[in-house]
Amino acid sequence: QVLLQESGPGLVKPSQTLSLKCSISGGSINSGTFYWTWIRQPAGGALEWVGRIYSGGSTTYNPSLKSRVTILVDTSNNQFSLELTSVTAADTAVYYCARAEVTYSGDGVHYHFDPWGQGTQVTVSS
Amino acid sequence: QSVVTQPPSVSAAPGQQVSISCSGSGSNIGKNFVSWYQHFPGAAPKLLIYDNHKRPSGTSDRFSGSKSGTSATLAITGLQIGDEADYYCGSWDSSLIAYVFGDGTKVTVL
Repeated sequence: QVLLQESGPGLVKPSQTLSLKCSISGGSINSGTFYWTWIRQPAGGALEWVGRIYSGGSTTYNPSLKSRVTILVDTSNNQFSLELTSVTAADTAVYYCARAEVTYSGDGVHYHFDPWGQGTQVTVSS
Repeated sequence: QSVVTQPPSVSAAPGQQVSISCSGSGSNIGKNFVSWYQHFPGAAPKLLIYDNHKRPSGTSDRFSGSKSGTSATLAITGLQIGDEADYYCGSWDSSLIAYVFGDGTKVTVL
């Protein structure tokens, strides 16, 4: 059973960089047709897809965050990470890491997230 | 405002049925497959339905999904107190080149 666990500072100052890691256990980051993903949820708000990385290193980011986001993979430690620069209060949220299974057929893109980490609260405040 | 819309809330008595709608466009739901997630506050979201209607092992058959055109629906039959949670739909958007979630719907058991 694959388990994901987020870690990182719970408090970040405005204009600084938010850095989180997601550790994977019970499976390899290199296995299968999976994309390793970050998703966030502000208090009282909806889930927002932040971006993804394939084990080979290719990334795709939410266009609304693209200029500030970097997702990296660390295959030696079976982890992947998120960096979000120039944070503001609007970046305060629970951040989840998740595994995405993505396949393509003539009928469209098959895309779902399973499993998810428990989430980690990140607050942007001075 | 999200590109995929859901009603903010639905409610019904125990044992009854609720349906949650998920409305998108031709670049997301109309083109790609839909998944649904159940989210209890403070817990990790859980995959409930994938590929429009498929249930992963562990999902009760009281939950069913369907899709028609640019909309999808999650139905919950035999509603239970334990079903009180937030439910999100989502799909890949081929124009945005991003995954899009719906606004989320809170299910309340009266």
